[in-house]
Amino acid sequence: QQPVQSPQAVILREGEDAVINCSSSKALYSVHWYRQKHGEAPVFLMILLKGGEQKGHEKISASFNEKKQQSSLYLTASQLSYSGTYFCGTAKFQYGNQFYFGTGTSLTVIP
Amino acid sequence: DSGVTQTPKHLITATGQRVTLRCSPRSGDLSVYWYQQSLDQGLQFLIQYYNGEERAKGNILERFSAQQFPDLHSELNLSSLELGDSALYFCASSVRAGQNEKLFFGSGTQLSVL
Repeated sequence: QQPVQSPQAVILREGEDAVINCSSSKALYSVHWYRQKHGEAPVFLMILLKGGEQKGHEKISASFNEKKQQSSLYLTASQLSYSGTYFCGTAKFQYGNQFYFGTGTSLTVIP
Repeated sequence: DSGVTQTPKHLITATGQRVTLRCSPRSGDLSVYWYQQSLDQGLQFLIQYYNGEERAKGNILERFSAQQFPDLHSELNLSSLELGDSALYFCASSVRAGQNEKLFFGSGTQLSVL
């Protein structure tokens, strides 16, 4: 039931790019992305709806391929502030019940 | 500040005991979710309430129960505590209960069972 994310962890230098993938064995009706910094609560980044649209937040964007039941988060020109654990999330059912988060990807940006 | 309030921030108790975690959602939010996050683990969905009614259950143990009150605050009750229940418990709220509703998280309650 839980979406699977890859990679599990990634270390970047400032200015480098990264891609985080989220895939589900079940149909995805929408995909959320959240970031959790160490010792803090997860914070909403963006929602992607059906239609393969891309959304952006700062230099972070994402895509959603509903046919492949996958979403990818793109971080470009990474900054130190991007460090944290990224979670994708999706509802089990179309009408929103049982909201599950993915396995998480730890991102560390170093100077 | 997300507007979601969780109390207490920290709780230390012994095995076999019972505790209650409290969550006040953002003003106007009708839906409350509870999640458990163990050390280096992801966010495990426990239960969801919407406007006072249980909407969905996830991986919630029978020793755990929750409710949402008429003023929309929610409580998560954990009983017969075991060492493995030690975790960070988050609640989140959203305006409604749809798939497109973004979740706002409280700062969590860190539960330590000794």
